[in-house]
Amino acid sequence: SQELEQSPQSLIVQEGKNLTINCTSSKTLYGLYWYKQKYGEGLIFLMMLQKGGEEKSHEKITAKLDEKKQQSSLHITASQPSHAGIYLCGADEKAGNMLTFGGGTRLMVKP
Amino acid sequence: DTAVSQTPKYLVTQMGNDKSIKCEQNLGHDTMYWYKQDSKKFLKIMFSYNNKELIINETVPNRFSPKSPDKAHLNLHINSLELGDSAVYFCASSRKRPGLAGSSYEQYFGPGTRLTVT
Repeated sequence: SQELEQSPQSLIVQEGKNLTINCTSSKTLYGLYWYKQKYGEGLIFLMMLQKGGEEKSHEKITAKLDEKKQQSSLHITASQPSHAGIYLCGADEKAGNMLTFGGGTRLMVKP
Repeated sequence: DTAVSQTPKYLVTQMGNDKSIKCEQNLGHDTMYWYKQDSKKFLKIMFSYNNKELIINETVPNRFSPKSPDKAHLNLHINSLELGDSAVYFCASSRKRPGLAGSSYEQYFGPGTRLTVT
């Protein structure tokens, strides 16, 4: 079965700094999804990537999927305390498969 | 309005008991899911349910059973609870059903139910 690895597992940054979270798959992906989980709450959908080389942005968050569709990065520019939470990548190998999730990256932003 | 809601938010119970967690979505979605998030924050799919078609993750014990009275609800029943069942359980829904070409897996998650088995 597919495995997703996220790095780093945890991250502490000063407010205003940029940061990057990575998600790597052992297999070629059909779709890669980024979610954010606030502590003690449910998951919020951020972005979905399907095409090799695709890049999407929402406010200060940019996600990219590499050409081989095996690695994705999530980049946050000028981080704010509101960005704190757990970021999860999820993926499926083909349409219709249930998602597999990475272990998550716990982000803390110091004011 | 809450898109995906779960009740209860917290559930504390003793080993051997039977309990249920309820999930409702008001998004008109066709597919609903149950996930288990363990203490290490790993999120694992348990069930996917669409129009009476149930897809089960084979690693889920048969003590767990989803029940769907209608398209907007997918409840999770757990029999003979064990200590290892303690976790956060998330319900989710998506508009398109698995298997459709070009399906988008934009899933909307409920707030979670923290189950503690003592």
